Amino acid sequence: AQSVSQHNHHVILSEAASLELGCNYSYGGTVNLFWYVQYPGQHLQLLLKYFSGDPLVKGIKGFEAEFIKSKFSFNLRKPSVQWSDTAEYFCAVNAQERTGGYNKLIFGAGTRLAVHP
Amino acid sequence: EPEVTQTPSHQVTQMGQEVILRCVPISNHLYFYWYRQILGQKVEFLVSFYNNEISEKSEIFDDQFSVERPDGSNFTLKIRSTKLEDSAMYFCASAPQNNEQFFGPGTRLTVL
Repeated sequence: AQSVSQHNHHVILSEAASLELGCNYSYGGTVNLFWYVQYPGQHLQLLLKYFSGDPLVKGIKGFEAEFIKSKFSFNLRKPSVQWSDTAEYFCAVNAQERTGGYNKLIFGAGTRLAVHP
Repeated sequence: EPEVTQTPSHQVTQMGQEVILRCVPISNHLYFYWYRQILGQKVEFLVSFYNNEISEKSEIFDDQFSVERPDGSNFTLKIRSTKLEDSAMYFCASAPQNNEQFFGPGTRLTVL
């Protein structure tokens, strides 16, 4: 069965600090990988995704993530965080080999990031 | 930019009552999903729906749950007899075809 682990449940940073949020998944086949963000009081928004190709993907708002297949990891990074990045971040995977778009997403537990000015 | 919408934003109900949560997916999307997030826990898959039928459901999605796409635009989740443990945020999502799912803002269900 697929599973997703996010190592940090709560992260507190000062503005301009660098961010790295860990994500590891467990699945034997080929996966699509996603990071979603949920700002306070808002819905889940896609930050970035990886389907294939360059394992370093760039998303919105200066975020990027690197897929390391050998480590089953898809860590999220940002070189310099801002107060407005305060949110909850969710890593998610689904199985690529299933045809069609009805693949369920398996989510990690989420990481709550607080950025202090 | 088109968005998934959900109504109501907050639903309070008594245990044993039926609730219907409504979603309007993005208009040209073909695949529809419900997820839920119990407070403090991870987002969990409930059910996926394609071509007017359920394509996959989780073990959470028991006989108390049903989904429907009654009129080609709405996508509903019905809970027949709510339990306290059904209290959660329920998210609807839709996808065009290539696995990128777009989420609605959620409905917070509180069962008393």
